[in-house]
Amino acid sequence: AQRVTQPEKLLSVFKGAPVELKCNYSYSGSPELFWYVQYSRQRLQLLLRHISRESIKGFTADLNKGETSFHLKKPFAQEEDSAMYYCALSEGGSEKLVFGKGTKLTVNP
Amino acid sequence: DVKVTQSSRYLVKRTGEKVFLECVQDMDHENMFWYRQDPGLGLRLIYFSYDVKMKEKGDIPEGYSVSREKKERFSLILESASTNQTSMYLCASSLPGSTDTQYFGPGTRLTVL
Repeated sequence: AQRVTQPEKLLSVFKGAPVELKCNYSYSGSPELFWYVQYSRQRLQLLLRHISRESIKGFTADLNKGETSFHLKKPFAQEEDSAMYYCALSEGGSEKLVFGKGTKLTVNP
Repeated sequence: DVKVTQSSRYLVKRTGEKVFLECVQDMDHENMFWYRQDPGLGLRLIYFSYDVKMKEKGDIPEGYSVSREKKERFSLILESASTNQTSMYLCASSLPGSTDTQYFGPGTRLTVL
């Protein structure tokens, strides 16, 4: 069974529109969740982690334990947000990450 | 800035060849990881090392082995390459701790013919 589910393989929005990339996880303990991003021709890098409760590049993500979700949101998408986004889970203090299958976001002009 | 480098950007090998993928990090990180990245499958962990000579299997270790003789270097070995090992291979490193950032290398695109 998938421990991290990203239901959308592809997501396309227009510049200025809100965007939400969905992530659901399956873990009964206290999870630690992350979003990683890979821009075209660049290496994979951390975007944000739930424990920091930060906003990076206008993106936020809130951990909802009741719905076991960690959706990534941005109110006004920009063309430079086009990238591959991966949700990742650390289980029970493990130093290993379990990644979702990724969502490719395209922001159209 | 953390620097994770991988020995090759592109590699083409033949079925049955022994293949070495090398990864080096310069930030004295204890943890190092090897993943493969396939379209539609995301990143899957092959092996993890938390110290020199220490290793743990990830989700898909079959057909792979690893070596960590020095803290900064983590090698992935395909003993006998097969076509289904054609993939993008990513190396990463991190400090100990479940909340610490993993820093990724640029990747090696391996094609096995």
